[in-house]
Parts: sequence; C-alpha cells; structure tokens
Amino acid sequence: EVQLVESGGGLVKPGGSLTLSCVASGFTFSHYNMNWVRQAPGKGLEWVSCISGSSAYIYYADSVKGRFTISRDNAKNSLYLQMNNLSAEDTALYYCTRDSIMAYWGQGSLVTVSS
Amino acid sequence: ETVLTQSPGTLSLSPGERATLSCRANQNFSSNSLAWYQQKPGQAPRLLIFGASTRIPGIPDRFSGSGSGTDFTLTISRLEPEDFAVYYCQQYGSARTFGQGTKVEIK
Repeated sequence: EVQLVESGGGLVKPGGSLTLSCVASGFTFSHYNMNWVRQAPGKGLEWVSCISGSSAYIYYADSVKGRFTISRDNAKNSLYLQMNNLSAEDTALYYCTRDSIMAYWGQGSLVTVSS
Repeated sequence: ETVLTQSPGTLSLSPGERATLSCRANQNFSSNSLAWYQQKPGQAPRLLIFGASTRIPGIPDRFSGSGSGTDFTLTISRLEPEDFAVYYCQQYGSARTFGQGTKVEIK
C-alpha cells in the first residue's frame, strides 16, 4: 500500500524557516518524481515544487522560487522542503504527492506563519 | 507559467442533474496532460481523470473528461449526493499548476 507521511509543520514567525519531510512507503521511491502541494485555509490547491526521481529536474512555483528548496534522499525514501523567509501567505496545509498525475497524497502538514 | 482558469466558481444543482465544469489554459501544453480531482471537506484531493479523458479505476462512469489544446471539460452526467464537492483541474505538461476550483453545491 502506498503511504506518504508528512511531518515538520508548526508555528513559525514571519521571516523564519522550517523544513518539511515526507516519508514514502509501498513503492520504489526513486522511480517517481514527487511534489509538494499546499492549500491555504479555505482556499484552493497550489502546486509548490516538484523533483524528478534522480533529482536531475527541479521546478518551483513563482510564488516560492528563491525561498523554498526541494530535495530528496532516495536511500531514506524521503522528500524534503526547506522553506526560508516565510510570510503569512505561506500559511497552509502542505501535502506530499507522488508523480505528475497525483493519485497519492499524504495527510498534510500544517504550517502557520504568525507573530 | 501555465495558468488554468476554472468556471464557474460555484455550480448550484440538484441531485440527478448534469454538471459541466470548464477548465481553460492560457497556453497549450503537451499531450493533453490534464487531470481532474475531487476534494471533500477535511480530505485530501482524489484523482478522478488524467490525460484529459481517462478515468481512474473505481471512478464511476458518470464522470467524464473531454477537451484538448486549451479547453477542457469535466462532466458529471447525473449528480449523486456524494458528488457535491470541490473539483480542481491540474496540468502536468509544463511543470504543474492547478485551477482555482469549482464548487458543486446542492441547490
């Protein structure tokens, strides 16, 4: 069974940093590109970033480019999102998803940016 | 960046009625690389359709996708009570983007 489990969310002050993690199981992690997708409270879905299986290709939404860094450790079946210079607009539930066609989603990790 | 615009924002319909949801892109993207998702409150989105028109196994055949180029449509032929939810389109031909969503609510 495919499972994606996010962690690392929490309350952070504006300008602060946070790193999210996603541990994958039930499939060969290195064979799939992975994404981070976020959803602000009461709002729609926003794709944040994706990374190919070998980390050769990485893309970011314009809204996070230069502030967020996606990475993965295939030996640990883990996906990461380093988030710097956070603002209130980054407050959201952050989902880890598998592949371009997102059939699998984690339960999400809540990031709240507030003073 | 490929921008997806969904319309209408809200669709008020009764069970048994037909729902037609639109998703329009500001530019072409490759190979009809468009998916549709359903999201209910408190749940993660669920994939319904990919490749613009291919239904995921287990998705009822009242859900159908169509379109190409920059104009795509999700049709729910006869709404069941469990279909009232928010629907998102997503392109995966040029990085990834989501539309802003269409809420299908009970009239």
